[in-house]
Amino acid sequence: NAGVTQTPKFQVLKTGQSMTLQCAQDMNHEYMSWYRQDPGMGLRLIHYSVGAGITDQGEVPNGYNVSRSTTEDFPLRLLSAAPSQTSVYFCASSSVGGTEAFFGQGTRLTVV
Amino acid sequence: DQQVKQNSPSLSVQEGRISILNCDYTNSMFDYFLWYKKYPAEGPTFLISISSIKDKNEDGRFTVFLNKSAKHLSLHIVPSQPGDSAVYFCAASALFQGGSEKLVFGKGTKLTVNP
Repeated sequence: NAGVTQTPKFQVLKTGQSMTLQCAQDMNHEYMSWYRQDPGMGLRLIHYSVGAGITDQGEVPNGYNVSRSTTEDFPLRLLSAAPSQTSVYFCASSSVGGTEAFFGQGTRLTVV
Repeated sequence: DQQVKQNSPSLSVQEGRISILNCDYTNSMFDYFLWYKKYPAEGPTFLISISSIKDKNEDGRFTVFLNKSAKHLSLHIVPSQPGDSAVYFCAASALFQGGSEKLVFGKGTKLTVNP
């Protein structure tokens, strides 16, 4: 069972570059979300989606864009990478928001 | 303003003893609580949950206790095993009352179980 798949696992970007972190789930979950994990900060919500075509901001949305054109995919776009976006990014999905979420393995992003 | 607080960054226990991880919350709208375990270089995995209509939920070696009046929950692991060494995150949502789809996480507690 694939569950939640994130690509890439590692990425190094230069300041100002843009990129898209991919997230796909095969559990037919309506709710998907993106978190970032920084040392001593726990998991902070960036953006989330309650279904195809519906997205909303989380706690730390600045510098990121999302879209949800299908139930399966929820990509996260960094518009112009900054060193402050160096972090580990996790995508998660759940059948109902606010309940048990399944996480991907994470993407470790370094912005130099 | 941190709505879910895990005030102990780390905890060390001996194998076979009890591990108690604590979590406090400030938002009275929260009515569903979860614990996640995270190993290095992996995503968090769901461990156990409890809704506000209960004060205890048990699953094998793991028990979560909820004290609504104190806005406090704890995770008990008995007996602790070296494989339990991980970072544990407490999370909360206003699932039933507020209809919020968001999970709010604490900063995590790193548990080390020594053989």
